[in-house]
Amino acid sequence: EDKVVQSPLSLVVHEGDTVTLNCSYEVTNFRSLLWYKQEKKAPTFLFMLTSSGIEKKSGRLSSILDKKELFSILNITATQTGDSAVYLCAVGRGGADGLTFGKGTHLIIQP
Amino acid sequence: KAGVTQTPRYLIKTRGQQVTLSCSPISGHRSVSWYQQTPGQGLQFLFEYFSETQRNKGNFPGRFSGRQFSNSRSEMNVSTLELGDSALYLCASSTYGSNYGYTFGSGTRLTVV
Repeated sequence: EDKVVQSPLSLVVHEGDTVTLNCSYEVTNFRSLLWYKQEKKAPTFLFMLTSSGIEKKSGRLSSILDKKELFSILNITATQTGDSAVYLCAVGRGGADGLTFGKGTHLIIQP
Repeated sequence: KAGVTQTPRYLIKTRGQQVTLSCSPISGHRSVSWYQQTPGQGLQFLFEYFSETQRNKGNFPGRFSGRQFSNSRSEMNVSTLELGDSALYLCASSTYGSNYGYTFGSGTRLTVV
């Protein structure tokens, strides 16, 4: 059975700190790994990774995939209160099986 | 360009009733997927449609069904509602399918009483 495990499940840090969120997976026929940010309802797309070892960056956020060790990390530097959200990791397989999501990491940034 | 639109935003139904949820994808997107989100299970895949054809279905009972129209709009139906069907139902659209990244709608919050 496909599995996506995120850690930690929740995290409280102070504004300005750097955080690292983890996502490990066991999926047959891996195609892609995606990160989403969910603040209220609609998850918003952050990154899609398909190649191992290539970092994707967007401002203070960055992510990298290790296909050999089957994990990905999402880094957020100089955190702001607006970064408070649930961060979801999802894995796509070949074909049209939909994405398998992890339970998410609930990140709280305190001022 | 307009995002993914889901209607209604909120819905309260009685156990045993049926419900239909609607999703209008981003213009030009031909793939529509549906997910159920609950606190205990997280986001779970329901089904994916592409050009009016269901390409795959998740591990849900037959009470959950859907369809896609020629304009790519999609509907999801749940019959004989159970209390456990209370959840946020999210629709997502993309150009080709899940592996290319989705844009999610804001969801329909269904409460079954």
